[in-house]
Amino acid sequence: QKEVEQNSGPLSVPEGAIASLNCTYSDRGSQSFFWYRQYSGKSPELIMFIYSNGDKEDGRFTAQLNKASQYVSLLIRDSQPSDSATYLCAVMGHGNNRLAFGKGNQVVVIP
Amino acid sequence: DVKVTQSSRYLVKRTGEKVFLECVQDMDHENMFWYRQDPGLGLRLIYFSYDVKMKEKGDIPEGYSVSREKKERFSLILESASTNQTSMYLCASTQRTGSIGIQYEQYFGPGTRLTVT
Repeated sequence: QKEVEQNSGPLSVPEGAIASLNCTYSDRGSQSFFWYRQYSGKSPELIMFIYSNGDKEDGRFTAQLNKASQYVSLLIRDSQPSDSATYLCAVMGHGNNRLAFGKGNQVVVIP
Repeated sequence: DVKVTQSSRYLVKRTGEKVFLECVQDMDHENMFWYRQDPGLGLRLIYFSYDVKMKEKGDIPEGYSVSREKKERFSLILESASTNQTSMYLCASTQRTGSIGIQYEQYFGPGTRLTVT
């Protein structure tokens, strides 16, 4: 069974600061990596997708992938109270129809 | 706008009842998934289907079955509900995967919060 690990504790950041989230995965054959955001009581929504090593930026979000070290991270710059949510890391293998999810990281942005 | 709908937002059932959770997507997606989400355990895959009448077990299929008679509809069945099946159930769909670098986004429904008493 593929494992996706996210450090579990809630992350509190002041408004305007950078929030940094990390995720490691066990399956070296994994090809595609996703970050989902889930607000309390809502379903997950995709915010970032990355498949090649390096950085990918989209607005205030940056995903970083290092396949050799088997980790993927998410940076949220200029954090806003609306970024307060749980962030789920998900990993997909090549030609695989399914995602393996981490348990999520709760982010709380303090005004 | 893409849409995945689930038959109920909240459901309360008694132990031993047969429970049907319905999911419908309007995106002509081949793949559909059923997850349950519990505090501290994250999203866990129960079953998925990659085509009509096809199904595969996920990580926690015990106590559940599924049905996919039409491409757009994927049903989760609890044959005899138990209290440990109290959870949030999420349905998702995506187009068939194949090429690296393609964003195969899983679109989620709003979820069904099932309580078994």
